[in-house]
Amino acid sequence: GQQVKQSSPSLTVQEGGISILNCDYENDMFDYFAWYKKYPDNSPTLLISVRSNVDKREDGRLTVFLNKSGKHFSLHITASQPEDTAVYLCGSMQQGTGSKLSFGKGAKLTVSP
Amino acid sequence: GPKVLQIPSHQIIDMGQMVTLNCDPVSNHLYFYWYKQILGQQMEFLVNFYNGKVMEKSKLFKDQFSVERPDGSYFTLKIQPTALEDSAVYFCASSLDQGGSERLFFGHGTKLSVL
Repeated sequence: GQQVKQSSPSLTVQEGGISILNCDYENDMFDYFAWYKKYPDNSPTLLISVRSNVDKREDGRLTVFLNKSGKHFSLHITASQPEDTAVYLCGSMQQGTGSKLSFGKGAKLTVSP
Repeated sequence: GPKVLQIPSHQIIDMGQMVTLNCDPVSNHLYFYWYKQILGQQMEFLVNFYNGKVMEKSKLFKDQFSVERPDGSYFTLKIQPTALEDSAVYFCASSLDQGGSERLFFGHGTKLSVL
């Protein structure tokens, strides 16, 4: 079955608002959690990642929150801008197992001016 | 930033024929991957490759699939013979290292349509 799920396939946010994207995973052994952005040429690019020894990581406007007991992680984008409009993929894996990321289906974020 | 290039962007082929998908990974990377995405589904790991050998493969990596990187040129995925269910977008990725949370760089994908 699908090991990583993004329950909301789309989200629309006003410019300047906070975008919140969610991801649930099933495998207790997963200890690496990542968010990828799919650019117009379709290539997924790593935005931010976190290991299981922390429950939060910030990088500029991006913050990843990890809830291990709930097997859930999220991406928060503050001060959302139109150029944040894209498809976002969450991915997770157990480190040391060959970079076999399990991805969600993706969520389309639209930031409207 | 570093780019992974995939050639061609789209390939249309008749069922039963052979197809080779080409990937030009980031120049100093050592680990290479193929992922498969069926329309409407998530990207799924197929195989990883290092030092001329397949390290791991998933159950999606059928016997008809093979990978190689002869003489440091393109990293290729060959399907022989193709089947209708091979229609998908195939993403190539590369990384400098492995074992931890090493960053994967993905290409833009090759859409394979098997008729």
